[in-house]
Amino acid sequence: DAGVIQSPRHEVTEMGQEVTLRCKPISGHNSLFWYRQTMMRGLELLIYFNNNVPIDDSGMPEDRFSAKMPNASFSTLKIQPSEPRDSAVYFCASRSRQTTEAFFGQGTRLTVV
Amino acid sequence: GESVGLHLPTLSVQEGDNSIINCAYSNSASDYFIWYKQESGKGPQFIIDIRSNMDKRQGQRVTVLLNKTVKHLSLQIAATQPGDSAVYFCAENFNDYKLSFGAGTTVTVRA
Repeated sequence: DAGVIQSPRHEVTEMGQEVTLRCKPISGHNSLFWYRQTMMRGLELLIYFNNNVPIDDSGMPEDRFSAKMPNASFSTLKIQPSEPRDSAVYFCASRSRQTTEAFFGQGTRLTVV
Repeated sequence: GESVGLHLPTLSVQEGDNSIINCAYSNSASDYFIWYKQESGKGPQFIIDIRSNMDKRQGQRVTVLLNKTVKHLSLQIAATQPGDSAVYFCAENFNDYKLSFGAGTTVTVRA
């Protein structure tokens, strides 16, 4: 398996623009997580899906952030409109029911200028 | 080499020596604890976990110790190698899925 695949790896956008981050979890994993990593706040859980259903979105910063999981093999995290303070590395992770191990993607480094 | 808590975010260790990375956690309801390793430009990678009803678990060159009395977790790496240079995070898991990560300790291995 290729692991968790995220795209793009890097994204530079102007303030006010819409940004969409994509994630393909490991096949067979039923849990999917979106995390954000910054120097100031570390790794923060944004949203958790179980069997494609959002279970906990309490970490989503504002209404500008939204996440979807239309099927078991794809998820998106959208920021609209983007702001400079959204600049961070965004990670997607997936996990199967039978294990405690969450597998992380390579991340998307987002820069909003 | 040894780091103390989350207030000393760096650890420098001589190649071949043992490393000890410490972590304090806060949630008594955590059901298990995990150590992750993050290399530059990559996502966190699972190293080892330990259930809250255990106090020690060993893996390949790594040992995790859990002291619930003082809410303390440590990761011991035996015979540290250059490839062990990375940021190490402890994380506590609760409510079955919520992973709360610590601030991380940067480990640098000296040749």
